[in-house]
Amino acid sequence: DTEVTQTPKHLVMGMTNKKSLKCEQHMGHRAMYWYKQKAKKPPELMFVYSYEKLSINESVPSRFSPECPNSSLLNLHLHALQPEDSALYLCASSQESGYEQYFGPGTRLTVT
Amino acid sequence: GENVEQHPSTLSVQEGDSAVIKCTYSDSASNYFPWYKQELGKGPQLIIDIRSNVGEKKDQRIAVTLNKTAKHFSLHITETQPEDSAVYFCAARGAAGGFKTIFGAGTRLFVKA
Repeated sequence: DTEVTQTPKHLVMGMTNKKSLKCEQHMGHRAMYWYKQKAKKPPELMFVYSYEKLSINESVPSRFSPECPNSSLLNLHLHALQPEDSALYLCASSQESGYEQYFGPGTRLTVT
Repeated sequence: GENVEQHPSTLSVQEGDSAVIKCTYSDSASNYFPWYKQELGKGPQLIIDIRSNVGEKKDQRIAVTLNKTAKHFSLHITETQPEDSAVYFCAARGAAGGFKTIFGAGTRLFVKA
């Protein structure tokens, strides 16, 4: 099973809201990632967790807060977002950091 | 850090023809080069990858070649089918900055029936 699941599929939030994106994998992978993808652009790395520890933060604004409660779950907490944060947020996982990443279907986020 | 350039940005081929997409990378220490296919409304799907100790890898109609000296790698799709229509991204796993994966800008492939 090479499936990464993400919820919700779509999310619309106001600039004062607090929401969370969730990601889950049951492949036993030890690295998990958050990417942001704008329309017609490649995915841009935001965060990498390796063995449940944050290993890479690509200078992401603090209104995005990642959390890795255990090796199967990854959350992205959102607070006080801006309209320009509207994008597809992708979660991925891999056995080793940086190799053979498997992506979820993404959460389409719209900030109003 | 790593930089990946991808060409062409758009490619249109007739069904049954071959398609070739080319990428160059800047970090000579990069050691892993995956290719992803992304269909509309879906996340990227890993279709083939190659490590720096290998020059070529093939999987049915898809092949990837790597030239470490020139720092470029290519995706070859033979006998294209309409279902191959998608956006294809190359990527490189750089050594600088903690082994990040940097993506090329993408190639939109159209296969005409």
